[in-house]
Amino acid sequence: GQSLEQPSEVTAVEGAIVQINCTYQTSGFYGLSWYQQHDGGAPTFLSYNALDGLEETGRFSSFLSRSDSYGYLLLQELQMKDSASYFCAWAGSWGKLQFGAGTQVVVTP
Amino acid sequence: DTGVSQDPRHKITKRGQNVTFRCDPISEHNRLYWYRQTLGQGPEFLTYFQNEAQLEKSRLLSDRFSAERPKGSFSTLEIQRTEQGDSAMYLCASSLTGGETQYFGPGTRLLVL
Repeated sequence: GQSLEQPSEVTAVEGAIVQINCTYQTSGFYGLSWYQQHDGGAPTFLSYNALDGLEETGRFSSFLSRSDSYGYLLLQELQMKDSASYFCAWAGSWGKLQFGAGTQVVVTP
Repeated sequence: DTGVSQDPRHKITKRGQNVTFRCDPISEHNRLYWYRQTLGQGPEFLTYFQNEAQLEKSRLLSDRFSAERPKGSFSTLEIQRTEQGDSAMYLCASSLTGGETQYFGPGTRLLVL
């Protein structure tokens, strides 16, 4: 079967850097996606890694190591609006997403 | 285009009733997905369409659940004989071929009493 593990909660202050790790066990792996979801809102796409290495998009970066079955999302210069749940998701061959349970990021002043 | 829309946003029903949800994807997207999300969990895949063809259904989708996407545009998800365990947020997403970037709708929150 497939499974993804990520921490349940991370707390940090404004301006700090947070790293959310995601380890996975799966077959037929095509890539790792990251989504952000605010309370009561819809998941929104942040990034996708199909190849090993770092992808940078503004304050957010995502990393994948296929040999280690591991990835992470890096949030830099944290802002209050970054308080949300962050999900890593295994991406299958046609885009089917298998989500982790999510990491609640709490940003404090 | 304003993104993926879902209707209704909230639905309260009594156990045993049938409910139907609608999803309107982004117009040029040929892939459409349904997910279910319960509190504190990530979305769980239910089913997926490529144009009008339903190509995969999760084992989570019992025979009380049915989904359609006539003409490859909007989609409906019907739950028959609802049970309290069906209470959840039902999310629809759409994408272009490839599916790496999925755009989610606001969801339909279902409460079965």
